[in-house]
Amino acid sequence: GQQVMQIPQYQHVQEGEDFTTYCNSSTTLSNIQWYKQRPGGHPVFLIQLVKSGEVKKQKRLTFQFGEAKKNSSLHITATQTTDVGTYFCAGLENSGAGSYQLTFGKGTKLSVIP
Amino acid sequence: EAQVTQNPRYLITVTGKKLTVTCSQNMNHEYMSWYRQDPGLGLRQIYYSMNVEVTDKGDVPEGYKVSRKEKRNFPLILESPSPNQTSLYFCASSPSGPWYNEQFFGPGTRLTVL
Repeated sequence: GQQVMQIPQYQHVQEGEDFTTYCNSSTTLSNIQWYKQRPGGHPVFLIQLVKSGEVKKQKRLTFQFGEAKKNSSLHITATQTTDVGTYFCAGLENSGAGSYQLTFGKGTKLSVIP
Repeated sequence: EAQVTQNPRYLITVTGKKLTVTCSQNMNHEYMSWYRQDPGLGLRQIYYSMNVEVTDKGDVPEGYKVSRKEKRNFPLILESPSPNQTSLYFCASSPSGPWYNEQFFGPGTRLTVL
C-alpha cells in the first residue's frame, strides 16, 4: 500500500530561522495537501498541490510538489512563534478503478524558541 | 458559522461499555470521515462515507462501526471499547471527497478506555 514518509519528526528552531519539512511517497501521487495542527487543536487545511513541479506561496510559506509527483516540501521563511504546531502532508493516490487513497504523513512538530 | 462539531469532547470509559461519539456538519458536505490520532502514528482513517447510506472502511476499521442515515451526521460507534482504542478522534468533512477538496476537521474527542 501507499506510504507517505515525512521528515523530520521534530524540529526546534530559533525565531527568525527558516524551517522545512519534507514528504516522500512510495508511489506517484495525484495531489498532495498540507495541514497545520496547533497544539491542542485540530488539523487545518493549508494548501493543495496538483501539478508536477508546482510551487505555491502563502506569505512566508512556500509549498513545492516534485516533478515526479512523489515528493513535496513546505518551507517557512523567518519563523515566528505563531508557526508553532505540527505540519502534516496528505498524499492522494489513484489506486485504480476510480478508487483513491488518501494517506497522511506522521507530521513534523515545529517548536520555535523566542 | 460553518463547522464540524463532535460530542463529547472528552470521555473516560471502561472496557466493554458501548459508546457513541457524534459528529455533525452544517455545510451540506457529502463526504465525512473519522480519523484517530496517536503519538508517533499521525492521522489514520477509520471509516469514511461518500454520502447517505454509503460507508467504507479506512485503514484501521477494526473495533469500530459507523452509520450515515442523514447527510449532516456521522456517528462513530465503539461496541466494546478496549484500552488500545484510547486515542484522539477527529471527524472531518469535505464537499465531495477529500481528493480535490480540503477537509474540515472537528475539534476532536479525547477518549480514554480503562
